[in-house]
Amino acid sequence: AQSVAQPEDQVNVAEGNPLTVKCTYSVSGNPYLFWYVQYPNRGLQFLLKYITGDNLVKGSYGFEAEFNKSQTSFHLKKPSALVSDSALYFCAVSANSGNTPLVFGKGTRLSVIA
Amino acid sequence: EAQVTQNPRYLITVTGKKLTVTCSQNMNHEYMSWYRQDPGLGLRQIYYSMNVEVTDKGDVPEGYKVSRKEKRNFPLILESPSPNQTSLYFCASNVQGGTEAFFGQGTRLTVV
Repeated sequence: AQSVAQPEDQVNVAEGNPLTVKCTYSVSGNPYLFWYVQYPNRGLQFLLKYITGDNLVKGSYGFEAEFNKSQTSFHLKKPSALVSDSALYFCAVSANSGNTPLVFGKGTRLSVIA
Repeated sequence: EAQVTQNPRYLITVTGKKLTVTCSQNMNHEYMSWYRQDPGLGLRQIYYSMNVEVTDKGDVPEGYKVSRKEKRNFPLILESPSPNQTSLYFCASNVQGGTEAFFGQGTRLTVV
């Protein structure tokens, strides 16, 4: 069965500094990997995904993530954080064997301080 | 506009009173699912459906029912709600399982 670990409940970063939100996964076979963001009182919004190909994927709002197969990681990054990036971030994984459910991590709250 | 619509957004009910949360998507997606979000636990899948008349249990199905009579609708039914079902519920749809999911705005349910 697949699983996702987000080891940090909270990440604090100063505005303008780079940010990293960590995610590691476990899945049988090759993974599909996703990042979602949740703003207060809103649903989850898709940020980016890794299916195959280039290990560095770029997504919405200047976010990117790097797939590392040997470390089974898919960390979310942004070169320069904005206060408006403050939100709850979820990593998710599914097995690429078709019609398997998305399994989510517990979420990491990102706080960007001005 | 492509969207997943849940209703109601907020609901307070009493223990044992049956309720239904509706979910509708306009993207012709085959795969739909329900999640509950609880602090410190992330999102846990309740039920999912791979197509019309095909449903299956997720990680936390106890106390819930679903149906998929039409492709666009996937209601969540609580036959006899209990306080431990107080949570934030999300409906989601995908082109197929394993692809990126589109989420509704959520339904905050309180059972007293």
